[in-house]
Amino acid sequence: SQKIEQNSEALNIQEGKTATLTCNYTNYSPAYLQWYRQDPGRGPVFLLLIRENEKEKRKERLKVTFDTTLKQSLFHITASQPADSATYLCALRLYSGGGADGLTFGKGTHLIIQP
Amino acid sequence: NAGVTQTPKFQVLKTGQSMTLQCAQDMNHEYMSWYRQDPGMGLRLIHYSVGAGITDQGEVPNGYNVSRSTTEDFPLRLLSAAPSQTSVYFCASSATGTGYSNQPQHFGDGTRLSIL
Repeated sequence: SQKIEQNSEALNIQEGKTATLTCNYTNYSPAYLQWYRQDPGRGPVFLLLIRENEKEKRKERLKVTFDTTLKQSLFHITASQPADSATYLCALRLYSGGGADGLTFGKGTHLIIQP
Repeated sequence: NAGVTQTPKFQVLKTGQSMTLQCAQDMNHEYMSWYRQDPGMGLRLIHYSVGAGITDQGEVPNGYNVSRSTTEDFPLRLLSAAPSQTSVYFCASSATGTGYSNQPQHFGDGTRLSIL
């Protein structure tokens, strides 16, 4: 069965350090992978999209890598700040053939940046 | 810009009652979808629509109906609420482009629904 795995445990990082979050997937061959941020009581907010032919993508302090051989994406936040504390979700398109044609999300990793 | 607007923000229902969760977007997006988010389960796709008059089932469609009469609106109906439908419901929209998997999804802030 198709599956997306993110570290479900909270990730505690000291302010100023680089936070690295992992998204692993099985049985997919996605052309795109997306990352979202979700704050408590709010809907997810889009951060970055990376294509299968892109090894790396950057946006300000954010960097995403996409390794289609390892079936893994890494999400990095450099010079982390307490305001970066949130849950981060990875998402990709599900090709099930059964009509479930939308983005499938991982369960998310709760990131805590400690001052 | 309003983006994606969901109403109501909170709702408590009794088992067997019906209700409609409203979703409206002002970005002229063709693709709209409904997800539910439960602790430990993540976001799961309920129904989606690729344009007015076109809807299809997602991963967990049972107990829910949708319709898409306009580009802007995509209501989700619970015909006979059950406690298992207690959840947070999110509506999302995106442009279609060359395929909606390569388009950012814009989410509303959700409806928190409790079924007693």
